[in-house]
Amino acid sequence: AQTVTQSQPEMSVQEAETVTLSCTYDTSESDYYLFWYKQPPSRQMILVIRQEAYKQQNATENRFSVNFQKAAKSFSLKISDSQLGDAAMYFCAYRSADDKIIFGKGTRLHILP
Amino acid sequence: DTAVSQTPKYLVTQMGNDKSIKCEQNLGHDTMYWYKQDSKKFLKIMFSYNNKELIINETVPNRFSPKSPDKAHLNLHINSLELGDSAVYFCASSHVLNRGRYGYTFGSGTRLTVV
Repeated sequence: AQTVTQSQPEMSVQEAETVTLSCTYDTSESDYYLFWYKQPPSRQMILVIRQEAYKQQNATENRFSVNFQKAAKSFSLKISDSQLGDAAMYFCAYRSADDKIIFGKGTRLHILP
Repeated sequence: DTAVSQTPKYLVTQMGNDKSIKCEQNLGHDTMYWYKQDSKKFLKIMFSYNNKELIINETVPNRFSPKSPDKAHLNLHINSLELGDSAVYFCASSHVLNRGRYGYTFGSGTRLTVV
């Protein structure tokens, strides 16, 4: 069974600085999708960025980018120029072949003004 | 227009009661899901339906029964509520053609508190 591990329960970053959230996963599948979701205090689950496993190029969405290392099964999220609105729980997620999205336990990100 | 809407947003009820949470999506998606988020924020899939057919049925007590009258609706009925059922329940939807591309679209969640 696939697993997703986020080893940092909480992180803090100064406003305007860069922060990297770690995620590793375990799977025997060769084709899959990875996601980062953001959950602010409003509770809404918001898709931040996604990565297809067959693509070597790292995905980028404005200030958000990933470092996808398929061989190492690592999928970290980098947030550049951190803003107060980035404060939230961040979940790394893996979509399995049987269409389950499996979530990590989340990293709570604090932005320090 | 809300893409995936859940009602109610908050639900407080006594142990032993039966309650339902409704979910509707207007995205034209063919698959809908229920996820449970516990007090530690851990999200776990419970059920999924594709075109009204049950596809995923994780290890969930029989007291939980999903019902999909059509592909735009997926309701969750819970019998004999227990304290441990207190959680946030998320509905989500996706389309078979692009769920990898876009992941799931989530509703805003229903916070269930059993007292």
